[in-house]
Amino acid sequence: SAVISQKPSRDICQRGTSLTIQCQVDSQVTMMFWYRQQPGQSLTLIATANQGSEATYESGFVIDKFPISRPNLTFSTLTVSNMSPEDSSIYLCSVEDLGRGYTFGSGTRLTVV
Amino acid sequence: AQSVAQPEDQVNVAEGNPLTVKCTYSVSGNPYLFWYVQYPNRGLQFLLKYITGDNLVKGSYGFEAEFNKSQTSFHLKKPSALVSDSALYFCAVRDQLDDYKLSFGAGTTVTVRA
Repeated sequence: SAVISQKPSRDICQRGTSLTIQCQVDSQVTMMFWYRQQPGQSLTLIATANQGSEATYESGFVIDKFPISRPNLTFSTLTVSNMSPEDSSIYLCSVEDLGRGYTFGSGTRLTVV
Repeated sequence: AQSVAQPEDQVNVAEGNPLTVKCTYSVSGNPYLFWYVQYPNRGLQFLLKYITGDNLVKGSYGFEAEFNKSQTSFHLKKPSALVSDSALYFCAVRDQLDDYKLSFGAGTTVTVRA
């Protein structure tokens, strides 16, 4: 199964700043997914990142707030821009994995103060 | 549209007793169904999946789940719970008609008391 390295694992950021989260996969994958898990909540899909094309955003999420890069088939970044305390969440990347359905990174726990 | 319901926010059982975590789903086509577990300050760990074939699926750590098409359910079960099974459990579904989108239930917190 795929192995995902996600970093940073956690960060505390000032409001109004931006944080870029990195996700590295040990194999080439077509699609990478970014999720948000707000405190005490379930996972919500933010966007799907395909290499060589613009990310596809779900309802309620916009590129200006959550720009995504996908420069190659093993790497993606998600930036949380102009942060506010409401952005405090766990952010997870995921890939489709033939054996397991989907494999997830360990997550980035973001606290905005 | 696809959706998942986990009707119980919390499940509490004694160690050694059977554990059941309920999940029902709604999809337009046929479902791909998954169970994941999340321990505190950890990412999601895959437990098991149903794609096709036998309705009873066996997974990691002694867990199993039964796909019931008529009841649109995919309940997670373990015959004898351990204290270490205490965690947050998520059911997820993907519609085979959809390219990739995975929808999660709200999650069920399982507490196994010694």
